[in-house]
Amino acid sequence: GENVEQHPSTLSVQEGDSAVIKCTYSDSASNYFPWYKQELGKRPQLIIDIRSNVGEKKDQRIAVTLNKTAKHFSLHITETQPEDSAVYFCAASTPDYKLSFGAGTTVTVRA
Amino acid sequence: GAGVSQSPRYKVAKRGQDVALRCDPISGHVSLFWYQQALGQGPEFLTYFQNEAQLDKSGLPSDRFFAERPEGSVSTLKIQRTQKEDSAVYLCASSLSAGSNQPQHFGDGTRLSIL
Repeated sequence: GENVEQHPSTLSVQEGDSAVIKCTYSDSASNYFPWYKQELGKRPQLIIDIRSNVGEKKDQRIAVTLNKTAKHFSLHITETQPEDSAVYFCAASTPDYKLSFGAGTTVTVRA
Repeated sequence: GAGVSQSPRYKVAKRGQDVALRCDPISGHVSLFWYQQALGQGPEFLTYFQNEAQLDKSGLPSDRFFAERPEGSVSTLKIQRTQKEDSAVYLCASSLSAGSNQPQHFGDGTRLSIL
């Protein structure tokens, strides 16, 4: 099955700086890559996603890049704010619909 | 409703008891998924429904776990003879249509604690 690895496990950044989270996947058939933000005790919230026919997607301060050849994708958050503090999960979906998640990155934005 | 609704939010049970967890997906969503999230980990797939059909149950840890969606809307995840290792957050997600690249929207989950 699909195996998703996520790095780093924790990330501390100064407010206003950028944060980058990287993920790799194993199954070349994976074609959909969402990113979720989860605050303590809350539901995972979809913040951005990318499909395998696209290399990059941006939504305001958030961007995701995908390198199909290398089988890795990354989340970039610019101009970080305290409300960006949360656990972020990457995921990959193969055509059998299952989402395989990374282990998560705890992001702390220091004021 | 506006989002995926799960109940109860918290469930405490003694080892050996049966529990039932409910998921009410976004209205009109065809696909429904159950995931298990252990503390400090990402969600792990349990099972998938397309309307009332359970198309994939490969992630269910044992035959003590059973899920149903009889009318293609509300789903129930049942765990029989609960064990301590069943303690986790159980998340439900739904998506509008079938297909591997459809956004999945999650509920707040049920936090299950087995004593």
